[in-house]
Amino acid sequence: GAVVSQHPSRVICKSGTSVKIECRSLDFQATTMFWYRQFPKQSLMLMATSNEGSKATYEQGVEKDKFLINHASLTLSTLTVTSAHPEDSSFYICSARRTPYSNQPQHFGDGTRLSIL
Amino acid sequence: EDQVTQSPEALRLQEGESSSLNCSYTVSGLRGLFWYRQDPGKGPEFLFTLYSAGEEKEKERLKATLTKKESFLHITAPKPEDSATYLCAPPGGSYQLTFGKGTKLSVIP
Repeated sequence: GAVVSQHPSRVICKSGTSVKIECRSLDFQATTMFWYRQFPKQSLMLMATSNEGSKATYEQGVEKDKFLINHASLTLSTLTVTSAHPEDSSFYICSARRTPYSNQPQHFGDGTRLSIL
Repeated sequence: EDQVTQSPEALRLQEGESSSLNCSYTVSGLRGLFWYRQDPGKGPEFLFTLYSAGEEKEKERLKATLTKKESFLHITAPKPEDSATYLCAPPGGSYQLTFGKGTKLSVIP
């Protein structure tokens, strides 16, 4: 069964709205979660690494003030797209890893389809 | 810079027609390789982890193999439900995954 839950699965909203996406690890504690963005027919691109109890680490070119990440507990990370515009429309996917070790797989949520009108 | 190349980009197979997908990479500090399956509109589903050259893993009709520079995902007698995009991802030295663009597999009944 699913080990990472992501909510909502789909959001349609007007330009200028802020949107919050939740990512939960269901049966394990995740000190680190990851946020990806995927455009049609493209691969997953890492946006940021979410660390419990500390600031997120953003990839080059990702605006930290635009994409706010909060990892307040060991089972929940949130991504808030602030003042969203049509160019922010995309498929956002989170993942979590059961252990801190990079040679262990990440488990992914089912993604959030964000459409900004 | 870490690079991952998957081929072919798309593959159409008749049901029962076996084939292989390729994942080649240049990654510093390679610590294994992951294979995932992604269905349309869904997040990737974990399939395999391969840790060292020569290692093989199997799951139903899928078998993954690993060398020092590439990995293969062999599909034996595929069924329509095997249709999906298959992604490979060697973890780099900075704990992040570097995904290939994937191979979109279509299995025709």
